[in-house]
Amino acid sequence: DGGITQSPKYLFRKEGQNVTLSCEQNLNHDAMYWYRQDPGQGLRLIYYSQIVNDFQKGDIAEGYSVSREKKESFPLTVTSAQKNPTAFYLCASSIAGIGEKLFFGSGTQLSVL
Amino acid sequence: QKEVEQNSGPLSVPEGAIASLNCTYSDRGSQSFFWYRQYSGKSPELIMFIYSNGDKEDGRFTAQLNKASQYVSLLIRDSQPSDSATYLCAVNINSGNQFYFGTGTSLTVIP
Repeated sequence: DGGITQSPKYLFRKEGQNVTLSCEQNLNHDAMYWYRQDPGQGLRLIYYSQIVNDFQKGDIAEGYSVSREKKESFPLTVTSAQKNPTAFYLCASSIAGIGEKLFFGSGTQLSVL
Repeated sequence: QKEVEQNSGPLSVPEGAIASLNCTYSDRGSQSFFWYRQYSGKSPELIMFIYSNGDKEDGRFTAQLNKASQYVSLLIRDSQPSDSATYLCAVNINSGNQFYFGTGTSLTVIP
């Protein structure tokens, strides 16, 4: 089945630790995105990538890093510089181009120990 | 200024009624508009998209777009308890192919 796979479903971070959230898609989509969702709030864009080996910062990129070495994969690292990382993280992908739809993975809930 | 704004609700309607959700956006260059449904603890699911002024119907859902007034709405006819969720409005901004989301409207359908 085609889709977007995020792992793990739940993740716990200790203070000072970097953690990496995985996102893999087999939809052959060019563009991939990372969003953060806090309780009762909308989605805020962290990073996005239109093509392999290229990515752009979104509105809240500080404390996060990404890579796009393969079309299928767009991992997100939450660094120790992100002081308030507890949130629901959503990976999404779309075919690049105006009017194309955005599809989401199942999400990763990150909490701080 | 927020790109996309929604009334956070909560909005409560009785079963069988029409639920009306509204969204306004600030970028006049926006061309694509989407409605997502999100159940608690789950990821958003695309339920409607619209590109042109007017109405677009799909089953019990109707999306309405008015670019001159910069608003997009979602009507849910014959509302069911299973429609109880948060509905997110999203707008595709041309430059960089970015998608901006509203904060969502919480809908409760009362049996």
